[in-house]
Amino acid sequence: QSVLTQPPSASGTPGQRVTISCSGSSSNIGSNTVNWYQQLPGTAPKLLIYSNNQRPSGVPDRFSGSKSGTSASLAISGLQSEDEADYYCAAWDDSLNVGVFGGGTKLTVL
Amino acid sequence: QVTLKESGPVLVKPTETLTLTCTVSGFSLSNARMGVSWIRQPPGKALEWLAHIFSNDEKSYSTSLKSRLTISKDTSKSQVVLTMTNMDPVDTATYYCARAPNWNRPLYMDVWGKGTTVTVSS
Repeated sequence: QSVLTQPPSASGTPGQRVTISCSGSSSNIGSNTVNWYQQLPGTAPKLLIYSNNQRPSGVPDRFSGSKSGTSASLAISGLQSEDEADYYCAAWDDSLNVGVFGGGTKLTVL
Repeated sequence: QVTLKESGPVLVKPTETLTLTCTVSGFSLSNARMGVSWIRQPPGKALEWLAHIFSNDEKSYSTSLKSRLTISKDTSKSQVVLTMTNMDPVDTATYYCARAPNWNRPLYMDVWGKGTTVTVSS
């Protein structure tokens, strides 16, 4: 059972917009910034969004992040086949003094 | 170019101690902003954060694994070492190290190693 809760799966057709949610608590998402990672099949995770809504250099602006209270969301617009991957949210938890990940969301492009 | 590379045994026996090394290049572990985390992923399962070493040498460990983990760094060798005692088959996983370039945001990990797969079996 992950500390951060994500839907196990999401799907969309090419060109669509999809969102992936990440729910936490006041001690993690409510107190700290949220980061999102993309893991393509058979590869290491890659930083997608940091500090709630910042994109590293090279990440397309189709990817965006937001946070409100104890929840965060990752939005992907103009869905492409290469976006098919697992997506994870992550944040620090102040009460446990540990890092926490969501359980991951498998995105399927139909 | 910033890189991290994990190394260690491919196979360990139950009850043995696992020692993994993360060798970094392109940045210094003595940099006041830099920290390094270890994360693992059992086959077909989610990422699990294990431990983090901050730039000031402060350490933090997963609550469930705290009694079994030790993280340390050797700045002169550009290495971060993770040891895990009393290995069990459920510890079979790919183990990653990752750089955290902001000292007070340890889960902001901008560069990851490719991972090293560890199997626990007799």
